[in-house]
Amino acid sequence: QSVLTQPPSVSGAPGQRVTISCTGRSSNIGAGYDVHWYQQLPGTAPKLLIYGNSNRPSGVPDRFSGSKSGTSASLAISGLQAEDEADYYCQSYDGSLSGSKVFGGGTKVTVL
Amino acid sequence: QVQLQESGPGLVNPSQTLSLTCTVSGGSIRSGSYYWSWIRQPAGKGLEWIGRIYNSGSGSTDYNPSLKSRATISIDTSKNQFSLKLNSVTAADTAVYYCARDSDWFDPWGQGTLVTVSS
Repeated sequence: QSVLTQPPSVSGAPGQRVTISCTGRSSNIGAGYDVHWYQQLPGTAPKLLIYGNSNRPSGVPDRFSGSKSGTSASLAISGLQAEDEADYYCQSYDGSLSGSKVFGGGTKVTVL
Repeated sequence: QVQLQESGPGLVNPSQTLSLTCTVSGGSIRSGSYYWSWIRQPAGKGLEWIGRIYNSGSGSTDYNPSLKSRATISIDTSKNQFSLKLNSVTAADTAVYYCARDSDWFDPWGQGTLVTVSS
């Protein structure tokens, strides 16, 4: 059971917009800790996609955007492309777990 | 740019100690104010943070409470490496182990190394 909750899967047709939620609680996201997002393509290491809730590292397309409100965060992918089919993970920090980094359980994005 | 590479045995016997090393290239492990973390991923499952070490001073460490009693992370700045030891392993510790630079977020990551616990 992950500390941060994500839907197991989302899907969309090419060109559509999909969103992935990441729900936490008052000891992590709700306490003001930043949320970061990673993309993991099959058989590869995770790659940083969004840091500090809404910032894109250099090279990440602006189709990817992040937001945070209250005890939740969201990752949006607009103009969905076949190459976006991957697993996506949110990550934050939990102050109640002796200072532990925590991940969501991951969301599989399928491009129909 | 900074790159990370994990190394170590791919097979460990149950009850023994898992030992992995992460070699940092393209920059000094002492540069900047960073932590260096270990993260693992069992096959078909999600990511689990194991712990981290600071790159300067006393090399302070933080661990996932669920693994704290078994995990030890150390750093060797002369070799630009940091290491993980996980003792008393069981089949549940079978996973791909990643190392990563920790700036609150993890970036970059190593490619990962599969460790199987089995006799």
